[in-house]
Amino acid sequence: GIQVEQSPPDLILQEGANSTLRCNFSDSVNNLQWFHQNPWGQLINLFYIPSGTKQNGRLSATTVATERYSLLYISSSQTTDSGVYFCAVTPGANSKLTFGKGITLSVRP
Amino acid sequence: NAGVMQNPRHLVRRRGQEARLRCSPMKGHSHVYWYRQLPEEGLKFMVYLQKENIIDESGMPKERFSAEFPKEGPSILRIQQVVRGDSAAYFCASSPGVGYEQYFGPGTRLTVT
Repeated sequence: GIQVEQSPPDLILQEGANSTLRCNFSDSVNNLQWFHQNPWGQLINLFYIPSGTKQNGRLSATTVATERYSLLYISSSQTTDSGVYFCAVTPGANSKLTFGKGITLSVRP
Repeated sequence: NAGVMQNPRHLVRRRGQEARLRCSPMKGHSHVYWYRQLPEEGLKFMVYLQKENIIDESGMPKERFSAEFPKEGPSILRIQQVVRGDSAAYFCASSPGVGYEQYFGPGTRLTVT
């Protein structure tokens, strides 16, 4: 099946810093989503981005489908950004999401 | 527009009992997915359903687990004779079709004692 690798596995930032989270995938996809799992365990949809670039406030994402990677940018990080960030994809005509292992982000005040 | 709803949010069962987890998709969504998050193992797909049909159950354990999405009412994930290894967070997601964005519910945290 498709492989999804996220890097780095852990990230510690000082409040106000910027960061880039990476997601590599091993096959072509028809869906790519970024999620934030907050400390209460809830999965929050950040972006649906099978290709192209999107921005939402301090967050933006870019997917280069031909090169099989996606990037999530967090600018001016806040302590509330802490949690685990997941990238998930569906290959081809498939519908089930395959998740990466996640990136644990800690933002310190 | 209400999001995906799951209940109960927390469920405690003793070994050997049955667990029933419910999921109501977003309005207008007819595709439902169940995922499980085991400690230290990440999020894994279990089953994909449309109304009255199981489309893909390749991630479901072969025994004790079943899922349904009836014509009326929520989708149900049923675990019979629970064991300690079933303790996990179970998430439901819904979408309006194949390849569309999936929206997740808050999850049900199952603890087996």
